[in-house]
Amino acid sequence: NAGVTQTPKFQVLKTGQSMTLQCAQDMNHEYMSWYRQDPGMGLRLIHYSVGAGITDQGEVPNGYNVSRSTTEDFPLRLLSAAPSQTSVYFCASSDSAGVDKLFFGSGTQLSVL
Amino acid sequence: RKEVEQDPGPFNVPEGATVAFNCTYSNSASQSFFWYRQDCRKEPKLLMSVYSSGNEDGRFTAQLNRASQYISLLIRDSKLSDSATYLCVVRNASKLTFGTGTRLQVTL
Repeated sequence: NAGVTQTPKFQVLKTGQSMTLQCAQDMNHEYMSWYRQDPGMGLRLIHYSVGAGITDQGEVPNGYNVSRSTTEDFPLRLLSAAPSQTSVYFCASSDSAGVDKLFFGSGTQLSVL
Repeated sequence: RKEVEQDPGPFNVPEGATVAFNCTYSNSASQSFFWYRQDCRKEPKLLMSVYSSGNEDGRFTAQLNRASQYISLLIRDSKLSDSATYLCVVRNASKLTFGTGTRLQVTL
């Protein structure tokens, strides 16, 4: 089982560039989410989705867009990258609406110069 | 006050030692509690859920104290492979809040 697959693993952007972080899961999970992890801070929720066609904002949504056209895929778009978006990004999915067990992707290390 | 607070450590313990971490949470309406483990530069993975009655999984014991709003994780007979960061996670409805983690380093 592939589980949750994130690409790319590493990315360097210049300020103002846009890009999409890809996330796919093969577990037929309805719930998918994006987190960012910064030193000294817990994982913070960016956006989440409880099913295809449904998305909602998390704690830190500004500067990011998401869409959920299929159950499997949940891409995260950075519209105009800023140095403050330098972080490690994790995609996670769950088969429970109660989100009792999250399965994480291996992460994307993003640097914005 | 942070919603979920943990001592960042590091906790440096010799192999075979018993070590305990605590985590406090601020929202008394929180419904579920978890410990995740995160190895350096890796993704978090669920270690165990924490139930009101307390629960044990091998060398790991988790407990919940709702009155004082804290959860704990006890690791007995520590192994080198237990070295990692342990994340306390609290759920309220569909929102999960992560602590910043407690780093454990087990040495020979």
